[in-house]
Amino acid sequence: SQTIHQWPATLVQPVGSPLSLECTVEGTSNPNLYWYRQAAGRGLQLLFYSVGIGQISSEVPQNLSASRPQDRQFILSSKKLLLSDSGFYLCAWSVQAASYEQYFGPGTRLTVT
Amino acid sequence: QKEVEQNSGPLSVPEGAIASLNCTYSDRGSQSFFWYRQYSGKSPELIMSIYSNGDKEDGRFTAQLNKASQYVSLLIRDSQPSDSATYLCAAYRSYIPTFGRGTSLIVHP
Repeated sequence: SQTIHQWPATLVQPVGSPLSLECTVEGTSNPNLYWYRQAAGRGLQLLFYSVGIGQISSEVPQNLSASRPQDRQFILSSKKLLLSDSGFYLCAWSVQAASYEQYFGPGTRLTVT
Repeated sequence: QKEVEQNSGPLSVPEGAIASLNCTYSDRGSQSFFWYRQYSGKSPELIMSIYSNGDKEDGRFTAQLNKASQYVSLLIRDSQPSDSATYLCAAYRSYIPTFGRGTSLIVHP
């Protein structure tokens, strides 16, 4: 069966510090991968998606970047965090060329102070 | 701008009743539609998918899709307190989703 991991589970970082969040998927090959942010009381905002290694599409201009160095690894980064980057960051995967049903990881709760 | 609209609620129903959750979408090119349940502090979990007009039933859940009206709904029969959560509607054009902000459902004993 497929499993998706995210770490860390929680993170408190000062403004201006760098960020690296990692997501890995087990039990499937060549998945579509997604990064979302959910601010307090808000909906899911799609940040990035990837259909293959090195292929990243950005949905919104922002202070963040994403990379996919391996088939089942997706990384979200920032060089300098802003207060507005606080939120619940979720990684998700779906099977390519199929039903596009997405399955979410447990998430990382980021607080920028 | 692709949008998915949901009433934020909260929708309050008594235990055993039918809860009806609604969603409208703006992108006529949307092909797939999903309902996710999100408990407070947790990540969303997929509960229903629907791709063609009509009804789709899975246990206590029924999803309904009307592409002409750009409308999706979720019915939860015999609601239980454990169904209390936020329900997210998502519309996909190919593999790119647009999520609504969610409807909060409260099922009281």
